[in-house]
Amino acid sequence: ETGVTQTPRHLVMGMTNKKSLKCEQHLGHNAMYWYKQSAKKPLELMFVYNFKEQTENNSVPSRFSPECPNSSHLFLHLHTLQPEDSALYLCASSQEGDRGPGNTIYFGEGSWLTVV
Amino acid sequence: AQKITQTQPGMFVQEKEAVTLDCTYDTSDPSYGLFWYKQPSSGEMIFLIYQGSYDQQNATEGRYSLNFQKARKSANLVISASQLGDSAMYFCAMREGGGYSTLTFGKGTMLLVSP
Repeated sequence: ETGVTQTPRHLVMGMTNKKSLKCEQHLGHNAMYWYKQSAKKPLELMFVYNFKEQTENNSVPSRFSPECPNSSHLFLHLHTLQPEDSALYLCASSQEGDRGPGNTIYFGEGSWLTVV
Repeated sequence: AQKITQTQPGMFVQEKEAVTLDCTYDTSDPSYGLFWYKQPSSGEMIFLIYQGSYDQQNATEGRYSLNFQKARKSANLVISASQLGDSAMYFCAMREGGGYSTLTFGKGTMLLVSP
């Protein structure tokens, strides 16, 4: 069982739909992340949360709306998406503060999103 | 400029042989960490091995080792005794500076292990 779980694993949605991706980490970490992985492109960081506070928004369109109610849960709310938003969305977590760049970021299994 | 460069889009290796996946990086920060991840077709990004910029010895984790050449800014992953289950995408990534920095990934190398 992975320390970071994501649901749903697969999602198909229309451009006018509203849906959410959910992530939960069981590792006691204090930082959580959303990454986007499109075909033939490197992984792109979308959002970073440290201690529930958003510390980075990597110029992500407003049709993606993150929510971090506590340090164990992270959501990505989706609305009026475009077909080019179809991608694998990866959630991750890490324990920040002591080892600097040596803190390992652990990923979930990802949510495959298709926008039709 | 790219911070992480993986020049091999695909690599083939026979089962039980060793394989080296290349990674070069670019940073001016003296404190950084280098990571390798494996991504099977299922999508999960699995952490394999870590090397810190101040580490004197090359990192090893089971069949994985990291050939760290700091002056050349390279951090190649060596997989010994390849197994069929090693077939996957492999990503090199870097974190720079103090805490709360994020990972920058390379484009990845697709490894195929044949019987």
